[in-house]
Amino acid sequence: GAVVSQHPSRVICKSGTSVKIECRSLDFQATTMFWYRQFPKQSLMLMATSNEGSKATYEQGVEKDKFLINHASLTLSTLTVTSAHPEDSSFYICSASGWLAGGPDTQYFGPGTRLTVL
Amino acid sequence: AQKITQTQPGMFVQEKEAVTLDCTYDTSDQSYGLFWYKQPSSGEMIFLIYQGSYDEQNATEGRYSLNFQKARKSANLVISASQLGDSAMYFCAMREGPRSGNNRLAFGKGNQVVVIP
Repeated sequence: GAVVSQHPSRVICKSGTSVKIECRSLDFQATTMFWYRQFPKQSLMLMATSNEGSKATYEQGVEKDKFLINHASLTLSTLTVTSAHPEDSSFYICSASGWLAGGPDTQYFGPGTRLTVL
Repeated sequence: AQKITQTQPGMFVQEKEAVTLDCTYDTSDQSYGLFWYKQPSSGEMIFLIYQGSYDEQNATEGRYSLNFQKARKSANLVISASQLGDSAMYFCAMREGPRSGNNRLAFGKGNQVVVIP
């Protein structure tokens, strides 16, 4: 149980284009989803927290117009990197938590999306 | 200030041996939770074990156990009988405040473990 999928696993795009990453909880309802960014050999950096049906809460320093987050249902959240630039290249990981999956605050992670912007 | 500290350099562990990964934390909350995650080279973060601040017993999950020393604010992970598949980065994380669906986690910088045959 508590499986989270992420799509795509890898994406390469040209500078200036937008990229959408999907995060799905497959076998539980995720009341909250989190989006992280991870640089090589570094820890996870929380970008934003999203609750189903409401606006995401962004961490300080994260541009909300750059990283658009939508959490339209209890099983799906999307992150759109708008007008991507090479410095946006990174590993993006989502996580989901829900009352039925190991407790209300256990976050289960997706497999991550490696974004490369040329 | 860093909330989670993991300072050990990369570790080499002999297969079948036990390994302890250090984690210290900093919080003024009475209610908090501590998590350990494993990240193999493929990138996914795998939840291993959870310890609540009010839990009196140390958490155990199979070969994983958490050595929780509240007064010292440490939550070390012990992996017994290491296997080659245990080679990964291990992250300690903390939730501050009571459990709810919105809890953010603070992650440490991670410990690299390489299990050698």
